[in-house]
Amino acid sequence: KQEVTQIPAALSVPEGENLVLNCSFTDSAIYNLQWFRQDPGKGLTSLLLIQSSQREQTSGRLNASLDKSSGRSTLYIAASQPGDSATYLCAVGNYQLIWGAGTKLIIKP
Amino acid sequence: GAGVSQSPRYKVAKRGQDVALRCDPISGHVSLFWYQQALGQGPEFLTYFQNEAQLDKSGLPSDRFFAERPEGSVSTLKIQRTQQEDSAVYLCASSFSGNTEAFFGQGTRLTVV
Repeated sequence: KQEVTQIPAALSVPEGENLVLNCSFTDSAIYNLQWFRQDPGKGLTSLLLIQSSQREQTSGRLNASLDKSSGRSTLYIAASQPGDSATYLCAVGNYQLIWGAGTKLIIKP
Repeated sequence: GAGVSQSPRYKVAKRGQDVALRCDPISGHVSLFWYQQALGQGPEFLTYFQNEAQLDKSGLPSDRFFAERPEGSVSTLKIQRTQQEDSAVYLCASSFSGNTEAFFGQGTRLTVV
């Protein structure tokens, strides 16, 4: 059974720092891996989707990598801003996504 | 519409009451998903539709939960005889096809008292 883990559960850093969020999964036979952000009281916003044949995807200040053999993905955020404060979740799967519990990120001005 | 729309945003139900949660997916999206999210946890899969066909309902926690998408567009998640453990945020998502990027609605927060 696929399990997804995100460490740390919470992270607080000063504005401007580059940071890395981690996601690990137990079954390397994944189809897609997707990173989302969730703001309090709001839905999930898709950030990046990496297909199983890909190793990374980039969007603006965000870069997500995928290493299926080690069962890991990282989300790199460059030059963090207070507006980046949110909970970041990763999910793996095909039509049925299996989710981590998220990393709550706080960027201090 | 521009995005996935869910209604109501908030619902308070007395234990034993039936509730119906609505999801309007992005126009043209074939696939529709329902997830349940407890406080502080990641979402848990409930069910998946491709057009009007419910292809997977393995995540529905009990026979009190029922979902439909009769015309392949709007979907309704119905919970009968609600229990306190049903309290959660119910998220709906749609995608162009089953394995492409999923777009989520804002969710319906259900509180059973």
